[in-house]
Amino acid sequence: DAKTTQPPSMDCAEGRAANLPCNHSTISGNEYVYWYRQIHSQGPQYIIHGLKNNETNEMASLIITEDRKSSTLILPHATLRDTAVYYCIVSVLNSGYSTLTFGKGTMLLVSP
Amino acid sequence: EPEVTQTPSHQVTQMGQEVILRCVPISNHLYFYWYRQILGQKVEFLVSFYNNEISEKSEIFDDQFSVERPDGSNFTLKIRSTKLEDSAMYFCASSGGRLRGYEQYFGPGTRLTVT
Repeated sequence: DAKTTQPPSMDCAEGRAANLPCNHSTISGNEYVYWYRQIHSQGPQYIIHGLKNNETNEMASLIITEDRKSSTLILPHATLRDTAVYYCIVSVLNSGYSTLTFGKGTMLLVSP
Repeated sequence: EPEVTQTPSHQVTQMGQEVILRCVPISNHLYFYWYRQILGQKVEFLVSFYNNEISEKSEIFDDQFSVERPDGSNFTLKIRSTKLEDSAMYFCASSGGRLRGYEQYFGPGTRLTVT
């Protein structure tokens, strides 16, 4: 079972920041936090991942709390194309690979 | 930008038939995966593959399933005797590992319909 808890749905206005929360209170010290998204039954798309430091890339920012029990994915300027199911996943790296256990995710609807 | 490709995009088969789903991972990746998603349900891990052997498999991946990397580019999932409940989207993914990144890149999927 997924080790994360996410709200089932969120709304965001186009152009505004979307802040997607995730709780992972039982995360282990060697588990990373990954975020993926799935646009309408397409293959999941990698967004970002982190261990304990905040991370930023061209798609998003990841804020991880100091105790690592929760995190927030930030899409700084949401567009209509960001409408998707967003998955927060915690996973340990096993000698270079990770197994992803998907939950139900958060359905983000970006509206004009 | 390199991407994972999968063929066919849609496969229809009769119950009891064998199917082979094909994937071409990103060329310099070392780790390969299969996931499936039954309509309206979660994405489920099936198997991971590295250095020509299975690294990890889920309970779903029983004796009816097998994986193979028959040449330097293709990665296949075979279902020996399909059942109605095997109907799902099957996603292939690949990752580069320590040197090239742990993130997994997914293909567009193959929709398998078992009748």
